[in-house]
Parts: sequence; structure tokens; C-alpha cells
Amino acid sequence: GAVVSQHPSWVICKSGTSVKIECRSLDFQATTMFWYRQFPKQSLMLMATSNEGSKATYEQGVEKDKFLINHASLTLSTLTVTSAHPEDSSFYICSARGGAPSYNEQFFGPGTRLTVL
Amino acid sequence: AQSVTQLDSHVSVSEGTPVLLRCNYSSSYSPSLFWYVQHPNKGLQLLLKYTSAATLVKGINGFEAEFKKSETSFHLTKPSAHMSDAAEYFCVVSPPSGSARQLTFGSGTQLTVLP
Repeated sequence: GAVVSQHPSWVICKSGTSVKIECRSLDFQATTMFWYRQFPKQSLMLMATSNEGSKATYEQGVEKDKFLINHASLTLSTLTVTSAHPEDSSFYICSARGGAPSYNEQFFGPGTRLTVL
Repeated sequence: AQSVTQLDSHVSVSEGTPVLLRCNYSSSYSPSLFWYVQHPNKGLQLLLKYTSAATLVKGINGFEAEFKKSETSFHLTKPSAHMSDAAEYFCVVSPPSGSARQLTFGSGTQLTVLP
């Protein structure tokens, strides 16, 4: 089946530094990748949608200069949290959507826990 | 437009007893519906999906759900709960051929299984 990986699974950083999170589709080409943020005991909130080779589309209220998304290939998307602050601490989950037959299904990565000190 | 409501934020059952997690949806078209499970600090795992085929959908780990259009419901059931079923469950709705941004998540139901 379709597998999506994320790296790292867990990261701690100091306030003011930048952190890059990778999302890879391991056995399919992902035409679209999504980034979600999840606060403790809450549902997933869509942050942005990225299509390979084009700029990401950000949801309302998400700072695109803070959360940089790059989807340079059909198997890799990256989320960079720039100048991270403690309020950016969260669980970040990516998902990927590929081609036939499951055009409508998203496959989720295992998530990355970011803690900003 | 679409929305999804999970009627219970928390459900507690004893091991070996049935599980019922309730989900109602609203959609202006015939939707696709999904149930995902999330264990602590893990990503989402697909339990089952409905995509306009059979209304009774069987998933992994003994879970199943029935799509009832007249009731706009897609409740998740399991005949006998196991300790390993304790997790957060999300009901998700999507249009049948949705655009990239059209997944809508429910607020989640935390399932506790008591020994």
C-alpha cells in the first residue's frame, strides 16, 4: 500500500532557529501533498496544500513566511518552520495524494513532534 | 459545502463489549467518507472508507461502518472492543472527486477501553 514517511519524527529546537521537516511518498508519486497541524487533544487543521513544481496554497491565518513549503519533486515535500517560537510547538502531519486508483484518498505520514524551547 | 460532526468527544467501553462511535455529515453532494484512527504521537491510519459502493463497509481490525443517506450518518462499530483499540478516532468527509483542499475532519472521539 501507499506509504508516507516523515523525518524527523521528533525535534527539539531553541527559540529563533529554523526547523525543516521532510515528507516523502515512498512507493507512489504524490501530485499533491498537504501539511496539517494538530494541537493536543484536537483535530487536524490544514495549513497548506502543495502541488509539485508550484507554490503552496496556504489556508487563511497561516503565515506563509513562517511556514515555508517546498514541493520540489513528486515524492518529497518539506515544511520549514522559520524563526521558531514556543507557540509553534505542535504535532505536524503531512499527507500525500497520488494518482489512480485512489485519486481521492490521502495517505498520512506518522507525524513530527516539534518542541520549541 | 460539507461538514462532519462527531457526536461524542469521549467514549468509554469495557473490553469485550461493543463499540459505537457516531458521525453525522452534511454535504451538498454524494460524499466519500472515511474513518481514521490515531494512536498517541502517531499519524493517522485509515480504518475504512465509503466511496458510493456498498453501504456497509468493512475495515481493518474488525471495524465496520454503515452509510445511511437518510440519516446522514456514518457510524463506526465493532462487536467486541480490545484494549489495543484505545485511541482517537476521526470521521472525515470528502467530495467524490474533490479538489486538493476538500477533506473535512471531525473533532475526534477518544475511545477508552476498560479492562
